[in-house]
Amino acid sequence: DSGVTQTPKHLITATGQRVTLRCSPRSGDLSVYWYQQSLDQGLQFLIQYYNGEERAKGNILERFSAQQFPDLHSELNLSSLELGDSALYFCASSLGGLNNEQFFGPGTRLTVL
Amino acid sequence: GDSVTQMEGPVTLSEEAFLTINCTYTATGYPSLFWYVQYPGEGLQLLLKATKADDKGSNKGFEATYRKETTSFHLEKGSVQVSDSAVYFCALTHGSGNTGKLIFGQGTTLQVKP
Repeated sequence: DSGVTQTPKHLITATGQRVTLRCSPRSGDLSVYWYQQSLDQGLQFLIQYYNGEERAKGNILERFSAQQFPDLHSELNLSSLELGDSALYFCASSLGGLNNEQFFGPGTRLTVL
Repeated sequence: GDSVTQMEGPVTLSEEAFLTINCTYTATGYPSLFWYVQYPGEGLQLLLKATKADDKGSNKGFEATYRKETTSFHLEKGSVQVSDSAVYFCALTHGSGNTGKLIFGQGTTLQVKP
């Protein structure tokens, strides 16, 4: 158990819908990262927050957004869903700073029908 | 941009065989290098890391050496077990302007047969 929790574990929805994925980092960790794992794209970095502020952006679509709340949990919002958004979404947390180990949650599997 | 390339899988070995999974990278600056492992149905776990050239990371019998001259970070284990069956990811963090985000290779599936 990494100490990072993600909910829900599975999510099945239809095209055009909007969903919210939730992540609670390990106690004391200030950085939260979101990654998408799909068969065709592999594991891709989406976005990072550090202590409530956006720190880095990767290959995140405009239809996707995220935020980190004062209690440091984070949410990833996916809207106008398409079939191609079906993937495993991982959250990871770290203390912050360079080369800190990232601890990964178990992931949320999103299926868009 | 930065990238990581791993050998194609799946890799199928018998128990106690020697394992090598090749990983090469392209990056500016001085990246840190990592191997992560993903067991079925689970998230990724850090297996080992190296933060500078010639460093050797090791854990649970796995080793990898950061070779800047060949831009490689190959994973090795002398004697694999069935329990090592998993997907292995090589990754880097960019050396300059680093925020810690990981850039992953495509993953290599290892299957160890008894």
